[in-house]
Amino acid sequence: RKEVEQDPGPFNVPEGATVAFNCTYSNSASQSFFWYRQDCRKEPKLLMSVYSSGNEDGRFTAQLNRASQYISLLIRDSKLSDSATYLCVVVTSNDYKLSFGAGTTVTVRA
Amino acid sequence: GAVVSQHPSWVICKSGTSVKIECRSLDFQATTMFWYRQFPKQSLMLMATSNEGSKATYEQGVEKDKFLINHASLTLSTLTVTSAHPEDSSFYICSASEVGTRNTDTQYFGPGTRLTVL
Repeated sequence: RKEVEQDPGPFNVPEGATVAFNCTYSNSASQSFFWYRQDCRKEPKLLMSVYSSGNEDGRFTAQLNRASQYISLLIRDSKLSDSATYLCVVVTSNDYKLSFGAGTTVTVRA
Repeated sequence: GAVVSQHPSWVICKSGTSVKIECRSLDFQATTMFWYRQFPKQSLMLMATSNEGSKATYEQGVEKDKFLINHASLTLSTLTVTSAHPEDSSFYICSASEVGTRNTDTQYFGPGTRLTVL
């Protein structure tokens, strides 16, 4: 079983729509969780950290469910510029190693 | 913000040659640098952790004699793919952690190097 699993999508949504997707992780000892964004042929960039209480950054909301071992990302009022692959990242140990999911592709259409 | 550069950004080489990729932290010192590989439509896979002044720590399944890592200074790590073969064609990305930090979200990524081996 992969350490981090994501629905690859693609999620094709119209501008202004809300889109949400999850990521599951296998190790219950995982400590830190992040969402990264990766554009085609570019490096991943940190979108937001995910906290136990859930957190929001503008149109983006992240949630963590430790009991079910998944994190989620919700994008409200989608913009064309939100089209990208969203990578779920989990840190399990104290050695700062990041475990990446394969990504969920979101395409926002006009 | 902290900037990490990689050179070259893309390279095409013949099978059997060696390719060196540089990763530099431009405006901060990096105690630790990480090397990842990403195949199309797959996740980034950590290859090795490079610590300044010491040997790199390789992940299971990564051949240390094939992927030579040198972290000679606090701003430069190099990855050399020796005797490259077509199956080594991939997107290689480095990241760097700033000296004195312990939070993983201060890991800054380079722009990546796309390697194509003919």
